[in-house]
Amino acid sequence: AQSVSQHNHHVILSEAASLELGCNYSYGGTVNLFWYVQYPGQHLQLLLKYFSGDPLVKGIKGFEAEFIKSKFSFNLRKPSVQWSDTAEYFCAVNFYGNFRLAFGKGNQVVVIP
Amino acid sequence: DAEITQSPRHKITETGRQVTLACHQTWNHNNMFWYRQDLGHGLRLIHYSYGVQDTNKGEVSDGYSVSRSNTEDLPLTLESAASSQTSVYFCATSDGVTDTQYFGPGTRLTVL
Repeated sequence: AQSVSQHNHHVILSEAASLELGCNYSYGGTVNLFWYVQYPGQHLQLLLKYFSGDPLVKGIKGFEAEFIKSKFSFNLRKPSVQWSDTAEYFCAVNFYGNFRLAFGKGNQVVVIP
Repeated sequence: DAEITQSPRHKITETGRQVTLACHQTWNHNNMFWYRQDLGHGLRLIHYSYGVQDTNKGEVSDGYSVSRSNTEDLPLTLESAASSQTSVYFCATSDGVTDTQYFGPGTRLTVL
């Protein structure tokens, strides 16, 4: 079955540090890839998405993600985090053709001022 | 602006009671989804619908049902609430073209 893996479930870092969250999926076919963010007490919001084209995707709030097809990965990065980036981050994959998203278990990120 | 609303936002109920959670969208999207969010499990798909009169089971559908009588609404019913169904429930929609899903604000359900 298709699955999505996120590593390092809990991440704690200081402001201005760099952030990288890993996402791997198990499927060899065409995929659409997403990162969602959930701020404390709020619903999920789309951070960025990849469908095709340039594998380096830029999203909102200074986030970017790189799709590496050979590694089945879609890692999220931000060069310098802020306290307001404290949130839970979810990777999601649409395994082409069924309109459903499979979500990873999430990364809880805490940024210390 | 188009939106997704869920009601109630918070609900406390007792074991064995029937509970219905509402989801209403004004995106005019054909696809609608119900997820539950639990610590350590992320989001898990309960049921989904690709259009009116269409419903499908997701990975954790036992004890839940849905019906789709119009485009705007997909109510989720817990037939006989159990403590294991204490969770936060999110409704989402997508247009079926880009597969991007948009989420509602969630309902926090506690089953005592």
